[in-house]
Amino acid sequence: DSGVTQTPKHLITATGQRVTLRCSPRSGDLSVYWYQQSLDQGLQFLIQYYNGEERAKGNILERFSAQQFPDLHSELNLSSLELGDSALYFCASSAARTSAATDTQYFGPGTRLTVL
Amino acid sequence: GQNIDQPTEMTATEGAIVQINCTYQTSGFNGLFWYQQHAGEAPTFLSYNVLDGLEEKGRFSSFLSRSKGYSYLLLKELQMKDSASYLCAVNSGYSTLTFGKGTMLLVSP
Repeated sequence: DSGVTQTPKHLITATGQRVTLRCSPRSGDLSVYWYQQSLDQGLQFLIQYYNGEERAKGNILERFSAQQFPDLHSELNLSSLELGDSALYFCASSAARTSAATDTQYFGPGTRLTVL
Repeated sequence: GQNIDQPTEMTATEGAIVQINCTYQTSGFNGLFWYQQHAGEAPTFLSYNVLDGLEEKGRFSSFLSRSKGYSYLLLKELQMKDSASYLCAVNSGYSTLTFGKGTMLLVSP
């Protein structure tokens, strides 16, 4: 158990809908990262938050957005869902003391999203 | 751009030694990570290299050559539970990681 929690574990929805995925980092970790993993693309970095502020963006679609709250939990919002958005979504956290520091990322159990 | 290459699949026998290679071409380098991932589960941290050389941690070792853009993960005394995907990831100067597509290792009896 990494100490990172994610809810829900599974999510099934229809095209065009909007969903919210939730992540709680390990106690004391300030950085949260979101990743998407599909069979053909591997693990793709989406976005990073550090202590409530967006710090880095990867291959995140405009239909997707995220935020980190004062209690450091984070939410990833996916809207206008398409079949191709079906994937595993992972959240990770790290104890990096600055937003640019290299530190080990610990992953949550993931949310499996199925879009029908 | 960032490019990380690993073999797609490897097979090995229980009790044997296997080496999983990773080559990378990135715009910067601030460390290389190896993660293990069982199907449908979260990636779990195995090792981190930032300087050239070998890092040993029990049955697992990881090697890095920055001049060659090359790393390998060495797994000794293979067990059935080592059947998993092994992900190579590079930190290219910021705090984010770029992952390779992973090497699926199948350990047979």
